[in-house]
Amino acid sequence: GENVEQHPSTLSVQEGDSAVIKCTYSDSASNYFPWYKQELGKRPQLIIDIRSNVGEKKDQRIAVTLNKTAKHFSLHITETQPEDSAVYFCAASDNNNDMRFGAGTRLTVKP
Amino acid sequence: SAVISQKPSRDICQRGTSLTIQCQVDSQVTMMFWYRQQPGQSLTLIATANQGSEATYESGFVIDKFPISRPNLTFSTLTVSNMSPEDSSIYLCSVEESVGGELFFGEGSRLTVL
Repeated sequence: GENVEQHPSTLSVQEGDSAVIKCTYSDSASNYFPWYKQELGKRPQLIIDIRSNVGEKKDQRIAVTLNKTAKHFSLHITETQPEDSAVYFCAASDNNNDMRFGAGTRLTVKP
Repeated sequence: SAVISQKPSRDICQRGTSLTIQCQVDSQVTMMFWYRQQPGQSLTLIATANQGSEATYESGFVIDKFPISRPNLTFSTLTVSNMSPEDSSIYLCSVEESVGGELFFGEGSRLTVL
């Protein structure tokens, strides 16, 4: 089955700096790669996703890149703000609806 | 996007008892899933709740411990049976509105077993 690894487990940045979180996956059949943000005590919510036919996707300060050959994808947050502080999860799934999550990255943005 | 209601939102239970968590969606969905999130951990898939047939369980989870019902396309229940303190966790219901697409999560049910 799919195995998703995520790094780093914790990340601390100064407000205004960029943050990068990286994930690798094992199943070459995976074709959908979402990123979820989970604030303390809240449900996980999708912030951006990418499909395997696309190499990069951007939404304002958030971007995701995908390298299918190397089986890794990354989340980039620019101009970080304190409200970006949360736990971020990457995930990978295929058409069999089998979504697997990474271990999570706790991002802290210091004002 | 789907609106998912879960209850109870939290409960404190005694060892050896069972608790049933309900998940109600505001629209008909084909795929419903149950996840477990232990304190400070990631999301682990327990099972896929299939309408009209038995749930499909992931490795490490069995029907006797986590029986699931899916009577229609908008509702599912997860029971945590014969609970022990190790079952203390957040249990999340999730749905997929389209095949291979975004998962929407309920608010979760925080279970504490004494």
